[in-house]
Amino acid sequence: DTAVSQTPKYLVTQMGNDKSIKCEQNLGHDTMYWYKQDSKKFLKIMFSYNNKELIINETVPNRFSPKSPDKAHLNLHINSLELGDSAVYFCASRATSGTHNEQFFGPGTRLTVL
Amino acid sequence: AQTVTQSQPEMSVQEAETVTLSCTYDTSESNYYLFWYKQPPSRQMILVIRQEAYKQQNATENRFSVNFQKAAKSFSLKISDSQLGDTAMYFCAAHTGTASKLTFGTGTRLQVTL
Repeated sequence: DTAVSQTPKYLVTQMGNDKSIKCEQNLGHDTMYWYKQDSKKFLKIMFSYNNKELIINETVPNRFSPKSPDKAHLNLHINSLELGDSAVYFCASRATSGTHNEQFFGPGTRLTVL
Repeated sequence: AQTVTQSQPEMSVQEAETVTLSCTYDTSESNYYLFWYKQPPSRQMILVIRQEAYKQQNATENRFSVNFQKAAKSFSLKISDSQLGDTAMYFCAAHTGTASKLTFGTGTRLQVTL
């Protein structure tokens, strides 16, 4: 009964490869996010979707492409992986109709690019 | 744009003692929410406490309380009766309706010792 789940939890791959991270939430929320946490633990927003529509797209390279097939899922596809993409990627969700604006986070995916 | 600043990279406290983590923020919005998230070694992001900017009363959750000074744009977290399980990174974050995203501070690493 995990609220926000991500797969895989760990991903080790070679430079130049393409990989995807999947996120699912069972909270009935209408907004989902991707955050990147770098090696210094700094967390930064990458993308946000509301009802399958992209509403936030920070200055992220075009190699990163989010896809939201429905309100409960937000996947992240990364093309031509680079060493600097190594980080922990967090998915989160929120109900815009909620009164607290709290975001619920997934367990994170640690991506290591060799 | 909103910014969040945590000026204490690391702190240490003895078990059962009280510790205060500092956070300042800047936003031009009048309606916003402030949060403290905890990230233990498991890397899961856990909400500790939230504060709505329109509420003057400081939020409290068991051993955790905040000192919200709106005019000074300050939002500190006080942990009473510290426990070994409180050892973690603590992130201060701000959410505004316009941005519809969380902006995080750089985090404070808290170590609780015997």
